Amino acid sequence: GNSVTQMEGPVTLSEEAFLTINCTYTATGYPSLFWYVQYPGEGLQLLLKATKADDKGSNKGFEATYRKETTSFHLEKGSVQVSDSAVYFCALRGPTGFQKLVFGTGTRLLVSP
Amino acid sequence: DGGITQSPKYLFRKEGQNVTLSCEQNLNHDAMYWYRQDPGQGLRLIYYSQIVNDFQKGDIAEGYSVSREKKESFPLTVTSAQKNPTAFYLCASTHQDSQTQYFGPGTRLLVL
Repeated sequence: GNSVTQMEGPVTLSEEAFLTINCTYTATGYPSLFWYVQYPGEGLQLLLKATKADDKGSNKGFEATYRKETTSFHLEKGSVQVSDSAVYFCALRGPTGFQKLVFGTGTRLLVSP
Repeated sequence: DGGITQSPKYLFRKEGQNVTLSCEQNLNHDAMYWYRQDPGQGLRLIYYSQIVNDFQKGDIAEGYSVSREKKESFPLTVTSAQKNPTAFYLCASTHQDSQTQYFGPGTRLLVL
């Protein structure tokens, strides 16, 4: 079945540092890939998505590229801010028909001033 | 403003009691979902509904029940059969032409 593996957290960075959160997946065909962000006590918000190989999703300075050859969708940001502190979830949705989202376990990011 | 609302924000359940979590959306979305979130784990799907008057079990449906009598509403009942209900519950919805799920703010359920 489909599955998503994320790097374990917490990831602790200083403000303006470079961020990478790794995400790899297992799926048949060409799934759609997503990154969601969850701030403390809130629901999930879509951060970015990519629906086909080599697509790059981007939003608020975050980027992730759909790499079919390495089955990866790593999240990156060039310069993090304290306000980026949150939990980040990688997720995939199968390519055909009605497919539920499959989530990774989440990676907590802590950014200090 | 369009969106998904969940109520209450916090809910307390006594032993042997059934409780119902509300989820309402005004996005005209067709599909709705309930997830459970536990610390250190990803989201796990409880139930989902693609259309009114139809719903399917997800990965952890035991001890839960749902209804979908209106397009806008998808309430979740946590029954007394659910022995470990303490968790954060998230409702989501999707338009049939979209692959993106939108989430509500969540309800935290605690057992007294």
